[in-house]
Amino acid sequence: DAKTTQPPSMDCAEGRAANLPCNHSTISGNEYVYWYRQIHSQGPQYIIHGLKNNETNEMASLIITEDRKSSTLILPHATLRDTAVYYCIVRPYSGSARQLTFGSGTQLTVLP
Amino acid sequence: NAGVMQNPRHLVRRRGQEARLRCSPMKGHSHVYWYRQLPEEGLKFMVYLQKENIIDESGMPKERFSAEFPKEGPSILRIQQVVRGDSAAYFCASSPDRDSLADTQYFGPGTRLTVL
Repeated sequence: DAKTTQPPSMDCAEGRAANLPCNHSTISGNEYVYWYRQIHSQGPQYIIHGLKNNETNEMASLIITEDRKSSTLILPHATLRDTAVYYCIVRPYSGSARQLTFGSGTQLTVLP
Repeated sequence: NAGVMQNPRHLVRRRGQEARLRCSPMKGHSHVYWYRQLPEEGLKFMVYLQKENIIDESGMPKERFSAEFPKEGPSILRIQQVVRGDSAAYFCASSPDRDSLADTQYFGPGTRLTVL
């Protein structure tokens, strides 16, 4: 079972920032927060991950609350090509359970 | 650096035939994961392999499905005596190092299996 809760859908205007929330209130100390997206029926694409500090890369920023019970993925300037299902996943960085558990994700639609 | 490669991209089989799906991990990656996405459903983990070892097969159906990752060559997901319910997209992912603090998995484009 997925350990995260995400809104099923969101819209965002092209060129604006897209802020995608995720709740993971039962996250453990050894679990990272990962974000992936799946554009149409393509293979999931890795976006970013973090443990407790905010992270930024060329694709997005990840803001994790101090208590680590929730996070927000930020796409700073959304384009039409960012329309996809976005998955927030918590996963331990050690141990035998290394698989990703995908929930339903958030369908982000970027509008022209 | 080439990404994860899967072939074939599309595979059509009749009921009762065998399906073989291949996955070549990214260069330098020694860990492979297989996931299945049934129509209109989410991705589900199937199996996790290292070279010549199955580490976790908790998501594999008990019958007809098997996976291997030989010392040389790609990882193979094999489905014997396929049924229509096996129609799905099968994705492979690879990661560089199990003990790494950032064991990120990178996915291939998938194989779409259609069983007639």
